[in-house]
Amino acid sequence: AQSVSQHNHHVILSEAASLELGCNYSYGGTVNLFWYVQYPGQHLQLLLKYFSGDPLVKGIKGFEAEFIKSKFSFNLRKPSVQWSDTAEYFCAVRRYNNAGNMLTFGGGTRLMVKP
Amino acid sequence: ETGVTQTPRHLVMGMTNKKSLKCEQHLGHNAMYWYKQSAKKPLELMFVYNFKEQTENNSVPSRFSPECPNSSHLFLHLHTLQPEDSALYLCASSQEGGGGSYEQYFGPGTRLTVT
Repeated sequence: AQSVSQHNHHVILSEAASLELGCNYSYGGTVNLFWYVQYPGQHLQLLLKYFSGDPLVKGIKGFEAEFIKSKFSFNLRKPSVQWSDTAEYFCAVRRYNNAGNMLTFGGGTRLMVKP
Repeated sequence: ETGVTQTPRHLVMGMTNKKSLKCEQHLGHNAMYWYKQSAKKPLELMFVYNFKEQTENNSVPSRFSPECPNSSHLFLHLHTLQPEDSALYLCASSQEGGGGSYEQYFGPGTRLTVT
């Protein structure tokens, strides 16, 4: 079965520190990749997505992610975090096949940014 | 606001009760989803509807019964639930097929507590 792994469950950073959150998936076929964010008390919202083309994708709020096919990875990065980035971050993978439009989510990473 | 609304936002029910969760999307999408978000577990896909037809049932117990009367509305009927069913239930929608963006837009969720 396909799985999505986020190895960092909790991350604590100070403001202005750089961020990298790992995401690895196990599916070998063509995939679409997403990062979602859930701010405290708010709904899940899309940060960025990769479908094809340039493997380095830029999203909202200064986030970017790099798709490395050989490593089955889609790590999220931000050069300088802010206190307002405190949230839970979810990586998700969509299989591109006839099995339907299912998203498989990773377990999430809770980020706390200290002011 | 994502264009996906859910009611109620909070629900407490006994194990013998019957209740329903409602989701409405105002985005003109053709696919809708139910997810379960439990503490310390990845977001779990429960059901997928494409063009009002159920296309995925992710081994969900029969005490959860979905209904999709049209492409804008999705219900989750609950009966004889167990305490372990307490969780945040999220609804999402997306536009699938030619020209679709495929990204899923999430509602704020219904926090369900089974006593």
